[in-house]
Amino acid sequence: QKEVEQNSGPLSVPEGAIASLNCTYSDRGSQSFFWYRQYSGKSPELIMFIYSNGDKEDGRFTAQLNKASQYVSLLIRDSQPSDSATYLCAVNEHSSASKIIFGSGTRLSIRP
Amino acid sequence: GAVVSQHPSWVICKSGTSVKIECRSLDFQATTMFWYRQFPKQSLMLMATSNEGSKATYEQGVEKDKFLINHASLTLSTLTVTSAHPEDSSFYICSASRSSGVDTQYFGPGTRLTVL
Repeated sequence: QKEVEQNSGPLSVPEGAIASLNCTYSDRGSQSFFWYRQYSGKSPELIMFIYSNGDKEDGRFTAQLNKASQYVSLLIRDSQPSDSATYLCAVNEHSSASKIIFGSGTRLSIRP
Repeated sequence: GAVVSQHPSWVICKSGTSVKIECRSLDFQATTMFWYRQFPKQSLMLMATSNEGSKATYEQGVEKDKFLINHASLTLSTLTVTSAHPEDSSFYICSASRSSGVDTQYFGPGTRLTVL
């Protein structure tokens, strides 16, 4: 059973601070990693994807990937109240390239 | 680009009736579309994967005769929940990707189904 693990939270971070979200995965063959944001009652929206080891930055967001440790993270700098949402980590399934497996999500709360 | 729409956004139906949900990619051709279901406070569960012109591939535990999927064109997939029951009440979300391999999935806004 391929798994993607996330801490469910809630993770509470003061406004303006860095929020750090973590994810581990079990499929060593996975090649593509995604972070989605989901507001309550809405569908997920893509924040970032990362394919290579290391960091990838996009505005206030940085995705970090370590395939050896099977670990992917998302950093949100200068956190804003509008960042309060559930963040879903998703990993492609090696045996079926088009499928991605979602973690259960981490609920992030930015306190003013 | 990469906009996906769903219709309807919500639907209430009586037990035993069938409900059809449409998923459209508006500005790109979607070789592959996916249907997910999400219960409250749970993550997305993949129900099936469909490629244009082919039969859908259902995940283990998903009844293909109950959840009929049609992917007739590169921009449209439909999910029909047949003989709906209250336990089918859920948030149904489709996603679409341009290729059949590893690719980003773009999600529709979801359809909230309530079966009375």
